[in-house]
Amino acid sequence: KAGVTQTPRYLIKTRGQQVTLSCSPISGHRSVSWYQQTPGQGLQFLFEYFSETQRNKGNFPGRFSGRQFSNSRSEMNVSTLELGDSALYLCASSQRADTSTDTQYFGPGTRLTVL
Amino acid sequence: AQSVTQLGSHVSVSEGALVLLRCNYSSSVPPYLFWYVQYPNQGLQLLLKYTTGATLVKGINGFEAEFKKSETSFHLTKPSAHMSDAAEYFCAVIPYSGAGSYQLTFGKGTKLSVIP
Repeated sequence: KAGVTQTPRYLIKTRGQQVTLSCSPISGHRSVSWYQQTPGQGLQFLFEYFSETQRNKGNFPGRFSGRQFSNSRSEMNVSTLELGDSALYLCASSQRADTSTDTQYFGPGTRLTVL
Repeated sequence: AQSVTQLGSHVSVSEGALVLLRCNYSSSVPPYLFWYVQYPNQGLQLLLKYTTGATLVKGINGFEAEFKKSETSFHLTKPSAHMSDAAEYFCAVIPYSGAGSYQLTFGKGTKLSVIP
């Protein structure tokens, strides 16, 4: 079974631009979560989508948004990029068959650099 | 709010020596507990998890962890370190919730170096 895929793997943008990152979950998985990883703040939860609905949201500004499609693929969007948005963005998928105890499988991440 | 503390941002061990990575959580109700590993330029891979039942949990690659409620700890161990164990390790929790929160709260990570 193919793992979680994220595209693109690397991205360079300038301040003020917007960016869209994509995540394809493992086949059959209906939940997709997004995390931001930075050296200073570590790993932080952005949001979780299940059946096209946002179920949980972390403490990030409204510039960070996401959506999920009927095939469970998810995108996250960051508008008006700031230097501090430079990070590794990780996507994780799970079956969500048994809520919190389900294993979340992570993709390789998208490395975003904001200049 | 849940928090996770990993003692030691960097741990070095000799090849063949015991690996001990420490994790403490703050919660009055035991959460679900996880250990993930991250190799350079890769995502996170689950090593093991504790939900309910046996407090000693065995994971992949010879790792295990013991849930100790009285100490609010979930330390990760491996009897004999291998060069391939060099990576960054993250302890994470999900609060016990009937609402089914899926939000993993991670510790800051511990970078493990293995000396030949």
